[in-house]
Amino acid sequence: TQLLEQSPQFLSIQEGENLTVYCNSSSVFSSLQWYRQEPGEGPVLLVTVVTGGEVKKLKRLTFQFGDARKDSSLHITAAQPGDTGLYLCAGGSQGNLIFGKGTKLSVKP
Amino acid sequence: ETGVTQTPRHLVMGMTNKKSLKCEQHLGHNAMYWYKQSAKKPLELMFVYNFKEQTENNSVPSRFSPECPNSSHLFLHLHTLQPEDSALYLCASSQEKTRHINEKLFFGSGTQLSVL
Repeated sequence: TQLLEQSPQFLSIQEGENLTVYCNSSSVFSSLQWYRQEPGEGPVLLVTVVTGGEVKKLKRLTFQFGDARKDSSLHITAAQPGDTGLYLCAGGSQGNLIFGKGTKLSVKP
Repeated sequence: ETGVTQTPRHLVMGMTNKKSLKCEQHLGHNAMYWYKQSAKKPLELMFVYNFKEQTENNSVPSRFSPECPNSSHLFLHLHTLQPEDSALYLCASSQEKTRHINEKLFFGSGTQLSVL
């Protein structure tokens, strides 16, 4: 069974701090997606990475796909209260998406 | 607004009730999905429809019955549920099933279901 482990499970920080969350697996994935889910809403796709070693930037968010395509990280610079939410990673394998349990981020003003 | 609308947003039902969840997408997509999101568990894929044909049933109990009358509408019929079925049920769509792992999944806001 393929699993995606996300860490940390919970993260509470002050506005302006930097943070990194991780998504790890022992399996290789053909692609890796990151979603953000706000309370009372469904997940919204942030980025898809498909090449080992790929780095993508979305404003203050930097996403990296591991060289071996087994892991990924999301780095947020100068976090803001609007970044609060559940961050989910999802790996593509054999035509399906495998989701992690998510990292719940709280950014306090 | 993601273009995927789910109703109702909240539902409380007894174990002997029959209810239905509705999902509608206005994106012209051909694939629609039901996911279950429980506390402390990853998103679980339940059913997939591609061009109105069911292509996946991930060992879901028969008390959950999906229906896809056309590419824009998806239903989940519920009967004799158990308290452990309480969860957020999310509908999603994508252009086509075979391509969705590299494409965007559009999720609705979900139905928060409580089974008493």
